Amino acid sequence: GENVEQHPSTLSVQEGDSAVIKCTYSDSASNYFPWYKQELGKRPQLIIDIRSNVGEKKDQRIAVTLNKTAKHFSLHITETQPEDSAVYFCAATPPRNTGGFKTIFGAGTRLFVKA
Amino acid sequence: NAGVTQTPKFRVLKTGQSMTLLCAQDMNHEYMYWYRQDPGMGLRLIHYSVGEGTTAKGEVPDGYNVSRLKKQNFLLGLESAAPSQTSVYFCASMEGGASNQPQHFGDGTRLSIL
Repeated sequence: GENVEQHPSTLSVQEGDSAVIKCTYSDSASNYFPWYKQELGKRPQLIIDIRSNVGEKKDQRIAVTLNKTAKHFSLHITETQPEDSAVYFCAATPPRNTGGFKTIFGAGTRLFVKA
Repeated sequence: NAGVTQTPKFRVLKTGQSMTLLCAQDMNHEYMYWYRQDPGMGLRLIHYSVGEGTTAKGEVPDGYNVSRLKKQNFLLGLESAAPSQTSVYFCASMEGGASNQPQHFGDGTRLSIL
């Protein structure tokens, strides 16, 4: 079945530095890739997503890139701030007409931003 | 528009007791999900529903049952609670339609089984 691998499991950066989280997926038919942020004790919340017809998407300090050939996508956070500290989950979803109602999540990356 | 609401927020049970977790969404979403999240781990899918009256097993369904009698509600039942079911349970919903959409999560239910 579909599998999503996420690295690293833990990431520690200095405030102001950039952070990069990488994911690979196994199902080449996957066409939707959301990223969720989960603060301690809170719900996962969508922060950015990308569809397979786009190679890169940016929203202020957050950007996501997608390489369909390599089945690889990444989250980039620039100018990190202490409030970016959280667990980040990547996910992959196949098309709706092939069972795209099940989102496959990565195991998560715990990001620490040191002030 | 409350989004996804889970009740209760916290619960402590004794081994062998039963209980039902309720998830309600007011976004008219077709798909609903139950996940469990254990400390330091990701989200594991327990059961899901692609529409009113339908349910299906996820990756860790043993010990749980679900029902979706109404489109807006998705119930998760533990018939005989075990300590291994101590976890945080998240419900999520997702819009139907032709293109994929993000999942919307509730605040979670923290369940302890003694």
